[in-house]
Amino acid sequence: SQQGEEDPQALSIQEGENATMNCSYKTSINNLQWYRQNSGRGLVHLILIRSNEREKHSGRLRVTLDTSKKSSSLLITASRAADTASYFCATDLLKGMNRDDKIIFGKGTRLHILP
Amino acid sequence: DTEVTQTPKHLVMGMTNKKSLKCEQHMGHRAMYWYKQKAKKPPELMFVYSYEKLSINESVPSRFSPECPNSSLLNLHLHALQPEDSALYLCASSQDNQRSTDTQYFGPGTRLTVL
Repeated sequence: SQQGEEDPQALSIQEGENATMNCSYKTSINNLQWYRQNSGRGLVHLILIRSNEREKHSGRLRVTLDTSKKSSSLLITASRAADTASYFCATDLLKGMNRDDKIIFGKGTRLHILP
Repeated sequence: DTEVTQTPKHLVMGMTNKKSLKCEQHMGHRAMYWYKQKAKKPPELMFVYSYEKLSINESVPSRFSPECPNSSLLNLHLHALQPEDSALYLCASSQDNQRSTDTQYFGPGTRLTVL
């Protein structure tokens, strides 16, 4: 079953506004990642936040992680047309001392920036 | 070189054909992945290779056969596919530092259509 669930499924905002996407997950994790995918293309890694971190910034991106609520948010400030894409959170699975190479993607949020 | 390349970009095949998808990276990464992605869905993990050994097979049908000839190359051999196997096939690689889940770098994908 899916580990991550993004919310909302689709989001349309005006260029220049901020976009916020949320991700909830079910089991304990080592870290959480956000990826972007332009239509029909490969995924691009945006940011990784570890389970002992609460907030991380990268350019116009701000990611928060609340392990007590098993949730994360991705904020894109001052949105641009080029930000139009699908955004996925991805979590690994904390399995005792054994590291698992697997990450599981959430269903994604389709973001559309209106000119 | 931070690129993962995939060939071909597009592939159309009949149900009786045998074809192969190829993936290459020169970042020195020791973990490589195959994902399948249907339209408007998240990527689904198929296989993981770690240090050229198959470490994860997500119960993929035997008509998909992965191969890792060396640390830079990953192939996916296709035989007797079904129309429902039509999808975007994504390859990814990561450093595999044995400590925690790494960022994955994705190729642009192969768009496969099975007639």
